[in-house]
Amino acid sequence: KQEVTQIPAALSVPEGENLVLNCSFTDSAIYNLQWFRQDPGKGLTSLLLIQSSQREQTSGRLNASLDKSSGRSTLYIAASQPGDSATYLCAVSPLGKAAGNKLTFGGGTRVLVKP
Amino acid sequence: NAGVTQTPKFRILKIGQSMTLQCTQDMNHNYMYWYRQDPGMGLKLIYYSVGAGITDKGEVPNGYNVSRSTTEDFPLRLELAAPSQTSVYFCASSFIDEQYFGPGTRLTVT
Repeated sequence: KQEVTQIPAALSVPEGENLVLNCSFTDSAIYNLQWFRQDPGKGLTSLLLIQSSQREQTSGRLNASLDKSSGRSTLYIAASQPGDSATYLCAVSPLGKAAGNKLTFGGGTRVLVKP
Repeated sequence: NAGVTQTPKFRILKIGQSMTLQCTQDMNHNYMYWYRQDPGMGLKLIYYSVGAGITDKGEVPNGYNVSRSTTEDFPLRLELAAPSQTSVYFCASSFIDEQYFGPGTRLTVT
């Protein structure tokens, strides 16, 4: 059974510092990995999706890497801003069309960027 | 496009009552999903569907039922509500890879 872990559960940094968020998974037979942002009381917003054949994806200040062999992904957010304060969740989907692209989520990392 | 919409936004149920959470997407996605999120936790899959007429169980299906009669709609039915079903429920849809989420329904069972 796939298990996804995000450590630390919470993180506080001063504005301008780079953020490094970690995600680990136990089964490397994944189809893709997706990073989400969740604001308090809100739904999930997709940030980046990395296919299993890719090593990284970039969007603006965000960069996500994927190392399937070690079962790890890292989300980097450059030059953090108070508006980056949110909970960040990673999720993986299993291989196989019959698997229906079901996501297994980590518990999330709650980020606070202090002005 | 409205994306994924969910109704209601909030609901309080008494133990033993039943209700249906509605989910609609206007992106013509084949895949649809229901997740629940307990406080301070990640999301867990309840049920999913790969197309109209096809549904299957996820990780935590007990106490829930679903149907998928159209591509757009994927309602989640709670029968005999229990306090353990107090949670935030999210519906999502996808074409192939990237999943798009609705705003959620916050349900309290007392």
